[in-house]
Amino acid sequence: QVQLVQSGAEVKKPGASVKVSCKASGYTFTSYDINWVRQATGQGLEWMGWMNPNSGNTGYAQKFQGRVTMTRNTSISTAYMELSSLRSEDTAVYYCARGSSTSCYSWGQGTLVTVSS
Amino acid sequence: QSALTQPASVSGSPGQSITISCTGTSSDVGGYNYVSWYQQHPGKAPKLMIYEVSNRPSGVPDRFSGSKSGNTASLTISGLQAEDEADYYCSSYTSSSIHVVFGGGTKLTVL
Repeated sequence: QVQLVQSGAEVKKPGASVKVSCKASGYTFTSYDINWVRQATGQGLEWMGWMNPNSGNTGYAQKFQGRVTMTRNTSISTAYMELSSLRSEDTAVYYCARGSSTSCYSWGQGTLVTVSS
Repeated sequence: QSALTQPASVSGSPGQSITISCTGTSSDVGGYNYVSWYQQHPGKAPKLMIYEVSNRPSGVPDRFSGSKSGNTASLTISGLQAEDEADYYCSSYTSSSIHVVFGGGTKLTVL
């Protein structure tokens, strides 16, 4: 079955960077886009961007442009999302999701990133 | 870019039907047939319930249906069951630089 397994929780200081991984299994990794969505505690969902694992093409929400980088390693079916210049407002659960660039068919379990001095 | 507008909460009794609205603009909901709906139980990852306005992924009960009229999309759940109690989010492709925008979410309570 389709599975997306994300890396574990992170605690970072303001100004640092975080890199979250998302390992896919149960399907052909290069056949579906990977989206990244985040959710602050008690808040709604916020789309960050998408990546085509086949081409490496990406599209980022304007809010995150310049701070986010989405990459992949097709040999191990793993996608990555790196967010830099972290601030307290970036504290959230970060999800990867398999799908198209407009819809998320299946989701990872989420990675809690806490930004605190 | 503002989020799509959803009611904060809706409620219904078991067996009843409810509808959750999702209002956007002609740049998102009204302009494209790329509206999705997600169900999220507390502490869990979201689950896709409807994509491209009215399509159900395999495994999603046919009690869940989606539609769109103008700039407003709707999710209807018929024959409400206790396990339907969750938060529901709509999303849409948008021609703005964001690309995909979510609604603020609706908490469904099954009385």
